[in-house]
Amino acid sequence: GAGVSQTPSNKVTEKGKYVELRCDPISGHTALYWYRQSLGQGPEFLIYFQGTGAADDSGLPNDRFFAVRPEGSVSTLKIQRTERGDSAVYLCASSLGRSYNEQFFGPGTRLTVL
Amino acid sequence: AQRVTQPEKLLSVFKGAPVELKCNYSYSGSPELFWYVQYSRQRLQLLLRHISRESIKGFTADLNKGETSFHLKKPFAQEEDSAMYYCALSGSLGGGSNYKLTFGKGTLLTVNP
Repeated sequence: GAGVSQTPSNKVTEKGKYVELRCDPISGHTALYWYRQSLGQGPEFLIYFQGTGAADDSGLPNDRFFAVRPEGSVSTLKIQRTERGDSAVYLCASSLGRSYNEQFFGPGTRLTVL
Repeated sequence: AQRVTQPEKLLSVFKGAPVELKCNYSYSGSPELFWYVQYSRQRLQLLLRHISRESIKGFTADLNKGETSFHLKKPFAQEEDSAMYYCALSGSLGGGSNYKLTFGKGTLLTVNP
């Protein structure tokens, strides 16, 4: 079947604007993760969903970042009042459960804040 | 806190030569270690995990708890191995909480003809 998909693939916005990034996980995967990858760095954990609830949001950098997964499938990462430092590739991953299950990554959304 | 260190940003070898990508970790609990690979213009994908103890595409990695290392090795590198390699750790703090991955900064491997 299809893998994890993310839209848009690229997003350019201006400082101060609001953006939404979407993730479609693999069908049947209950666990969903968001990571952020800045230039020259490895991916950094942002938030983890088990079903509809955010089980761990400890990686969100501040309250401008928020994510939802209302029906336990598609997730949206929302960033308010974007800053230039938010520019990065945002990766989504999904897995069958949480422990010891392989995380399958999407292609990422490249966010550029001008 | 958990941390993964990949000391080499770039590694260049010739085809047929042995290759070793280094990974050291810091974690006080019981970690699970992974190697992820990203080929050019492709998404990040799992290469291997220590719990499986298997060889994938000729690569192996052994978890050395004494040295807190999980180096990736291949005896004879191929040009198609050229990619970015990330070492990652998932921690269990006694509660089966393996989920979020902590990644190293990655090593770009180039295998020259």
